[in-house]
Amino acid sequence: QQQVKQSPQSLIVQKGGIPIINCAYENTAFDYFPWYQQFPGKGPALLIAIRPDVSEKKEGRFTISFNKSAKQFSLHIMDSQPGDSATYFCAAMGSNDYKLSFGAGTTVTVRA
Amino acid sequence: DAGVTQSPTHLIKTRGQQVTLRCSPKSGHDTVSWYQQALGQGPQFIFQYYEEEERQRGNFPDRFSGHQFPNYSSELNVNALLLGDSALYLCASSLGLGLTEQFFGPGTRLTVL
Repeated sequence: QQQVKQSPQSLIVQKGGIPIINCAYENTAFDYFPWYQQFPGKGPALLIAIRPDVSEKKEGRFTISFNKSAKQFSLHIMDSQPGDSATYFCAAMGSNDYKLSFGAGTTVTVRA
Repeated sequence: DAGVTQSPTHLIKTRGQQVTLRCSPKSGHDTVSWYQQALGQGPQFIFQYYEEEERQRGNFPDRFSGHQFPNYSSELNVNALLLGDSALYLCASSLGLGLTEQFFGPGTRLTVL
């Protein structure tokens, strides 16, 4: 079964808008939560990652918000650009289980 | 500084055949993980190699096997190919075992006819 649930499946925003992608998990052993960006025909590229002891992390226009009690985390893309159009995956990894469990992905389209 | 490289880029096989995919990790990395990504889905973990041993395995049949060489490069072998094995096969490298970043290669697109 999918250990990380991701929503929405797709979304469309105008340039400058803020797409928000949400993920939820059940496994409390998860201890590391990265986000990956994937363009068609390419491998996933690491965007930003967070640990549960932090509630928010920003890197450039990308922000992760983390709610440990709700077991949810989200990605915000500030001032989105057409070049941000891609599929985004959330993932999780446990401290004793070093494999990544991925969400199903969100296809983001930023219209110019 | 070379990133993760994979070969070949594309591969077409027929049912029942065997295939070998190759991966060279990012410079300085010693751990290799393999993932299968079906069209429109997130990557699924196949297995992970460290110090030339399989350390963890996902929910994949024994038809999927691997190897890691002393230079840390790795191979993924799939026997008795099924139509359902058609996917993008991704290799990710990292440093050691632990909560470390995994960097992905471009993948090998396998089509089984």
